[in-house]
Formats: sequence, structure tokens, C-alpha cells
Amino acid sequence: AQSVAQPEDQVNVAEGNPLTVKCTYSVSGNPYLFWYVQYPNRGLQFLLKYITGDNLVKGSYGFEAEFNKSQTSFHLKKPSALVSDSALYFCAVRGLPFRGSTLGRLYFGRGTQLTVWP
Amino acid sequence: EAGVTQFPSHSVIEKGQTVTLRCDPISGHDNLYWYRRVMGKEIKFLLHFVKESKQDESGMPNNRFLAERTGGTYSTLKVQPAELEDSGVYFCASSPIGVGYQDYEQYFGPGTRLTVT
Repeated sequence: AQSVAQPEDQVNVAEGNPLTVKCTYSVSGNPYLFWYVQYPNRGLQFLLKYITGDNLVKGSYGFEAEFNKSQTSFHLKKPSALVSDSALYFCAVRGLPFRGSTLGRLYFGRGTQLTVWP
Repeated sequence: EAGVTQFPSHSVIEKGQTVTLRCDPISGHDNLYWYRRVMGKEIKFLLHFVKESKQDESGMPNNRFLAERTGGTYSTLKVQPAELEDSGVYFCASSPIGVGYQDYEQYFGPGTRLTVT
């Protein structure tokens, strides 16, 4: 079964400091991992994904994520946080294909509220 | 390129009433998904259309929920009759169909916040 855990409901960091939002996963087979961000009153926006290849994935707005197979983790990172990064962040894993479809549903974590203070 | 749109943005209804949510996917995206987030919890899958066909509806909570996708374009999600536990934010997402085992990200709409009182 596929599942995602985001162990922190909230992460607070000062502007300019590095940030990490944690995500661990459980999948059958190869993991396809995603990070999405939701700004207030907006839909989910895609940040980055890991399918295969380099363990360090770079995405939008200066974010990156590190895939660690042995620890089954996919933590989101940014070297220097901005106040504008304050938002709700969701980690997701893509499920197995269903009935021949090559694309499966996404399984999401509960979300982590990131607050960056000036 | 227009993104995924959803209507209405908010809906407040009484228990026992009917509500219909609409999703317009990105033009040309054959995959359409519905998800729901109950406050403070994870976003949960409801169902998946490929064009006008229901590919996976295993996430639909019960038979009070009915989803349709007429002509493979926009989709509606009807809740009839609504119950208190149906409150939450309903997201729609779409993605293209690729050749072979493609891993396109899903593009999400802004969501419809449903409140059942």
C-alpha cells in the first residue's frame, strides 16, 4: 500500500535561514514522489518530482528535495527561506497503475504549514 | 494556457440538500481526478476519469456521491443528500495522457470549499 507521512504539522524558520520540510513514504515498487505547495486561497501548485535519476531534485522557487531510498524519505529543502515561502506544503506519492491505466492516483501527506518570519 | 478551474469557490448548504461541483480541466488533458481534503487531514483521492470513462472510483465514500464527465470535457461531482461529514475542500486535477509509462504531474484547481451545516 502507498502512504506518505509528514511528521511535522508546522515548521517555523527565520528569513534567510535554511528550511527543511520532512516527508517519508511507503510504496510497493519504485516510488514516484512529488511536492506541492498551497498558498492561501489558491490551488495546489507543483514544485518538483522524483521519478528516477539523481537523488537531488531541483524545482520551482529555489526548492530542492533529496530522495533517500534507504531512509524512504523525500525531504524538501531550501538554502535560504523567504517570507513569501510561507504556505502549506504537501508531499505525495503516485500510486500503482490501475486497470491498465499508466497513471495512478496521488497519495498525500497531511501537509506541513511553513511559516517564515522576517 | 488556462489552468484548471472549479466552480463554485465556496458553497454553504444545509444537511440533506444537494450540491453540484464543477471542474473544467486544462484543454487537452484526458485525465481528470477529484480529491477531497477534510480540515487538517490529508488530501484523499475520490476518483479518476480517462476521457469520459471512470477509470478508478474506489475512493468515492458512498453512493451519495456521483461524478460525471460528459463528452470527456468538464466534470461534475454531485453530493445528494449532503451530510455534515461531507464538508471539506474538493480539488480537481488534470493531466495529459502520455505514450507508455509517463509520469506527468497533475495540475490542480483552486478547490471548492463545501460547508454543510
